Amino acid sequence: QQPVQSPQAVILREGEDAVINCSSSKALYSVHWYRQKHGEAPVFLMILLKGGEQKGHEKISASFNEKKQQSSLYLTASQLSYSGTYFCGTGRLSGNTPLVFGKGTRLSVIA
Amino acid sequence: KAGVTQTPRYLIKTRGQQVTLSCSPISGHRSVSWYQQTPGQGLQFLFEYFSETQRNKGNFPGRFSGRQFSNSRSEMNVSTLELGDSALYLCASSSSGTTSGANVLTFGAGSRLTVL
Repeated sequence: QQPVQSPQAVILREGEDAVINCSSSKALYSVHWYRQKHGEAPVFLMILLKGGEQKGHEKISASFNEKKQQSSLYLTASQLSYSGTYFCGTGRLSGNTPLVFGKGTRLSVIA
Repeated sequence: KAGVTQTPRYLIKTRGQQVTLSCSPISGHRSVSWYQQTPGQGLQFLFEYFSETQRNKGNFPGRFSGRQFSNSRSEMNVSTLELGDSALYLCASSSSGTTSGANVLTFGAGSRLTVL
């Protein structure tokens, strides 16, 4: 039931792009993306809902392929501040089920 | 607007002891969820409380318990600690009255528990 994230870790140089994938074996209603910096709380980035539009802010955007139950997070022209662990959380519409998170993708941006 | 506050931030216990962690949600948020974070496992759902009632429970042994007070503050308790309980325990609050995939969670910084 836990979504699978890939890659597990990635190292980028400033200005490079990255894609983080999240896939589930269950039918999904939503995909949430969070970023956690070392020693800090996970911070909400965006939510994608079934039937909704691709989301994005600044140079971080995401897509949700409902048929494949997959989501991808796109980071373009990465900055040092993008470093951290990215988690996807998957949600169902009803059934009173909580968000289920993947194991995370550790992103390191170096100068 | 104050965020989610968790106390204590760090604590060390020995096997067999028990521990109580506290979480104060964002003002107005009535839903509080708890997650256990360990290296390589991501965030594992423990339980969720809403209006002092446990609404959901994850797949953890009965040694893990929680409660919520009338002011929405929540506590979780772990009894008879084991080495494997060492983890970062995260609390998250939500303003939604129902559990659904559209609820956005706001996390606290966590309580890091080390069991020796």
